[in-house]
Parts: sequence; C-alpha cells; structure tokens
Amino acid sequence: DVKVTQSSRYLVKRTGEKVFLECVQDMDHENMFWYRQDPGLGLRLIYFSYDVKMKEKGDIPEGYSVSREKKERFSLILESASTNQTSMYLCASSLGQGYRSPLHFGNGTRLTVT
Amino acid sequence: EDKVVQSPLSLVVHEGDTVTLNCSYEVTNFRSLLWYKQEKKAPTFLFMLTSSGIEKKSGRLSSILDKKELFSILNITATQTGDSAVYLCAVEAESGGSNYKLTFGKGTLLTVNP
Repeated sequence: DVKVTQSSRYLVKRTGEKVFLECVQDMDHENMFWYRQDPGLGLRLIYFSYDVKMKEKGDIPEGYSVSREKKERFSLILESASTNQTSMYLCASSLGQGYRSPLHFGNGTRLTVT
Repeated sequence: EDKVVQSPLSLVVHEGDTVTLNCSYEVTNFRSLLWYKQEKKAPTFLFMLTSSGIEKKSGRLSSILDKKELFSILNITATQTGDSAVYLCAVEAESGGSNYKLTFGKGTLLTVNP
C-alpha cells in the first residue's frame, strides 16, 4: 500500500516566520503535489513536480516555493507566513503520468498562522 | 478555464437511504474523471472513469460517466453512518505536451444519521 507521510499533523506559526512542510512517499512515485484545502474553495493546486529537481507552478503558487532534492521527498516552503495561508495542506503522489494513475494523499497538515 | 461542479454541496440522509451525488464538468482534452472519499484525513481513491456508459462498482458504491452530457454520478445504496464524508470529484485533462492537469470540484458533504 502506498504511504504518503506528512511530517506534522498540526502546526502553529507566527506571521513572518519561514515555514517548512515536509512530505515523503515510499512507493517510488515520479509525481508529487501540494494542495491547500479551504472551506467553500475545495482543493487548489499550489505546486507539483514530475521529477527530481523539477517543479511546476499550480493555480495558486504566490507566497510559496517548493524543493524536490530526492525522489521521495517534496517540501513546501512558506517564505514569510501570512494569516491568509492558514489552511489544510495536503501532499499527494502518483506513479507515472496520465489517467491510469490516481493520486495518493497524505493525512494533511493543518497550519494556523497567527 | 476548466470547471468541475458538484451538487448538492451538502446532503443529510438516514441510514438505509440511497443517495446520488452529481459531478458536471467543462474541460478541454478530457482524459478521466475520478471520485474520492474524504473523512477526517486524506482523500481516498474510489473510482476512475474514462469511458461513457460503463458502470464501476465497489460494494454499495457505483459510478457512471456520460461524456456526451459531461457529467458523472456516484450512487451509494443502503447508506451507513460510515459513509458520512466529503465526496470529491476531480477531472483530469491534458495540459500540453505529455502533462496533465487535475481539477477538483468543491465536494459534497454527506451526513448519514442513524
């Protein structure tokens, strides 16, 4: 069974702090994704990566960056956290490209920025 | 812009009822439609649909896709309290080259009361 592990379940940070959200998958998946989920807005794609050291902007990349130095690990970075980045963050991975590959999600990190 | 609309946004039923959740979409270069169930944590994959008219079934859950009318339904028969969750619909489309994009609907919150 695919396991996607997010390092923190809950996180509270102050405005202006640099925040790192870590995600590790154990099934050698090429693709990794970061989403945020907010009530009434659904899941929105922040960044994704199809390969090591490769990244692509999603729909809402502003205020975020990512790092993928190893295939199994995809980090989301909030350079200077703001209150409007309070949200549930979901990491996901998938094998290969295309419609034969559903996403496997981590359990999420609920981030509160005060 | 790709669009995925789920209805209803929320639904409350009694155990034993049958429910139908709807997902309509407008995307360019459609490849597949996926259903996920999200309880308190990670969304878990239910079905992937690529062809019209072919029902996918898993226990009391079933789903079908209509590519002409651009919608899918998810049916749950003999509902149980454990079916209470947010049900997410996502549509995958080609976004240029060999890349693809996944667009999520806002979800339907199903509450099953005993």
